[in-house]
Amino acid sequence: KQEVTQIPAALSVPEGENLVLNCSFTDSAIYNLQWFRQDPGKGLTSLLLIQSSQREQTSGRLNASLDKSSGRSTLYIAASQPGDSATYLCAVGDYKLSFGAGTTVTVRA
Amino acid sequence: DGGITQSPKYLFRKEGQNVTLSCEQNLNHDAMYWYRQDPGQGLRLIYYSQIVNDFQKGDIAEGYSVSREKKESFPLTVTSAQKNPTAFYLCASAQTGLGAYEQYFGPGTRLTVT
Repeated sequence: KQEVTQIPAALSVPEGENLVLNCSFTDSAIYNLQWFRQDPGKGLTSLLLIQSSQREQTSGRLNASLDKSSGRSTLYIAASQPGDSATYLCAVGDYKLSFGAGTTVTVRA
Repeated sequence: DGGITQSPKYLFRKEGQNVTLSCEQNLNHDAMYWYRQDPGQGLRLIYYSQIVNDFQKGDIAEGYSVSREKKESFPLTVTSAQKNPTAFYLCASAQTGLGAYEQYFGPGTRLTVT
């Protein structure tokens, strides 16, 4: 069974600092890895999807990398802003996803 | 405006009552999913459907039931057999077949059972 881990569970940084969020998974035979953002009491917003044949994806200030051999993905958020404060979840799988518990990020103004 | 709607946003029920949560999508996606989220935990899959009139149990299906009579609708019933029904319920959809199966989520329904 695929296990997905996100460490740390919470992170606080000053505005302007780059954010580095980690995701590890136990089974490297994955089809997709998807990063989501969740604001308190809201649904999930898809940020980036990396297919198994890809090494990274970029969207604006966000960059996600995938290393299947080591079972790791990293989400980089450049020049963080208070509006980036949220919980970030990663999920791996194909038509079914296994989710990590998330990293809650606070960006201090 | 394409997306996924869930209603109601908040739902309160007494123990022993069945309750149905609505999920509708206009993205023309084949697959739909129901997840449960509890504080400090990742999302757990309850049921999923890859095609109309077919659905499969996820990891925590006990005490729940679903139907998929229309492509755009995937209602979830929380029955009285579910021991801890209070949670945040999220519906998602994805396009299956060749492709990336990127999942899109609705805004969620918070169910409180007392």
